[in-house]
Amino acid sequence: SQTIHQWPATLVQPVGSPLSLECTVEGTSNPNLYWYRQAAGRGLQLLFYSVGIGQISSEVPQNLSASRPQDRQFILSSKKLLLSDSGFYLCAWTFPGPQRNNEQFFGPGTRLTVL
Amino acid sequence: SQQGEEDPQALSIQEGENATMNCSYKTSINNLQWYRQNSGRGLVHLILIRSNEREKHSGRLRVTLDTSKKSSSLLITASRAADTASYFCATDAGGTSYGKLTFGQGTILTVHP
Repeated sequence: SQTIHQWPATLVQPVGSPLSLECTVEGTSNPNLYWYRQAAGRGLQLLFYSVGIGQISSEVPQNLSASRPQDRQFILSSKKLLLSDSGFYLCAWTFPGPQRNNEQFFGPGTRLTVL
Repeated sequence: SQQGEEDPQALSIQEGENATMNCSYKTSINNLQWYRQNSGRGLVHLILIRSNEREKHSGRLRVTLDTSKKSSSLLITASRAADTASYFCATDAGGTSYGKLTFGQGTILTVHP
C-alpha cells in the first residue's frame, strides 16, 4: 500500500530565514506530486506540481520554490521567509500520467509560522 | 484563483440530522471531488463524480452534479458527531491537467451530540 510522509509537522521560523519542507511517497512509482498551501483553515491553493524527476511547474508567483531530486521526494524551499509564508503546507500525490478521474492522497501537513 | 465556492461557509446541526453543502464552479470540468479535513490534519478523499454523472452514493454520502448550472451538492445523512470537519469540493479540468485540482473555500460542519 502507498503512504505519504511530510516533515516536520510544525515549524516556527524567523522572517528572512531559509525553509525546507520535505515530502516522500512510498509504495508507488513516478507519482504526480503537488504542494498546496492552506491559510487560516480554509481553501487550498496549489503552489507547485511535478510529473517526474526534475520537472516542476509553478502555479503562482511567490517566494517559494520546489524541487524533485528523486522519484518519490518533493521538497518545498525558500531562501528568505516572509510573514505571508505562514500557513499549513500540504503535499499530495496521485497516480502518474494525464489524469482520468483519480483522487489525490494527502500527507499530514506542516504547520509553518513565520515570526 | 479558487474556482469552487462552497455554501454555506459554516453549518451547525444536531446529531441525526442531515447536512447539505453546496459547491459552485466556473469552468468546464472532467470530474468534481469532495474531501474532508479534520482540524489540523490532511485531506481525505470522500467521493468523485464524473462530468457525465448526475448522482452518486457512498454509504451515508450522496453527491449530485448539475453541469448546466456548474454546481454540486454533498448530502450527509443521519449525521454523527464524528462527521464534524471541514468539507471541500475540488474540480479537475481533465485533459492534460495532470490531476491538478482547484479547491473551494470549504464548509465547516459542526455536529452536536
